[in-house]
Amino acid sequence: ILNVEQSPQSLHVQEGDSTNFTCSFPSSNFYALHWYRWETAKSPEALFVMTLNGDEKKKGRISATLNTKEGYSYLYIKGSQPEDSATYLCAFASGSARQLTFGSGTQLTVLP
Amino acid sequence: GAVVSQHPSWVICKSGTSVKIECRSLDFQATTMFWYRQFPKQSLMLMATSNEGSKATYEQGVEKDKFLINHASLTLSTLTVTSAHPEDSSFYICSARDAGRGGPTDTQYFGPGTRLTVL
Repeated sequence: ILNVEQSPQSLHVQEGDSTNFTCSFPSSNFYALHWYRWETAKSPEALFVMTLNGDEKKKGRISATLNTKEGYSYLYIKGSQPEDSATYLCAFASGSARQLTFGSGTQLTVLP
Repeated sequence: GAVVSQHPSWVICKSGTSVKIECRSLDFQATTMFWYRQFPKQSLMLMATSNEGSKATYEQGVEKDKFLINHASLTLSTLTVTSAHPEDSSFYICSARDAGRGGPTDTQYFGPGTRLTVL
């Protein structure tokens, strides 16, 4: 059973604050790491797919880094806005498997 | 693009009845669809991988006779919960992978999920 952990489980920040959270995954047999953003009552939305150690991806105010050797990825949000409030999920793909193993998510609430 | 719909969004049924959930890729063809289940405060757990035109592959511990999956076309997969019991109450969500691409870096596009409550 693959263990994918996300921390913190939830956090509240003020509008304008920058924040980050962590996804940790097995460092062996790594293939890809996915980040999703999931707003209540909507479909999870793909943010990033990361494959290479040291990868850094950016989409607007959201960015992510990847360390496959130590088995973690950080997601950063710069200048949080209320519309960033959502649950952020990471998912790990190992070897040649096409299945994803998900973490339980970080629930972000941005207070106006 | 890459929109996946799921129907119904919520359903309440009596114990012993069967419930069918549909997952459709609206603007792309999906040779592979996935069915997940999520219990409160837990992560999405893969139940089965559904391949168009062939039998689904179930994860360990998931009863294939309980959770019937049919993937008859490139845009539709269905999950039928047979003889539902209260312990089957959960959030069920599907995802689809674009047939035009290949590999574990593929993005899975998700439906909005179905909340099943069995009384």
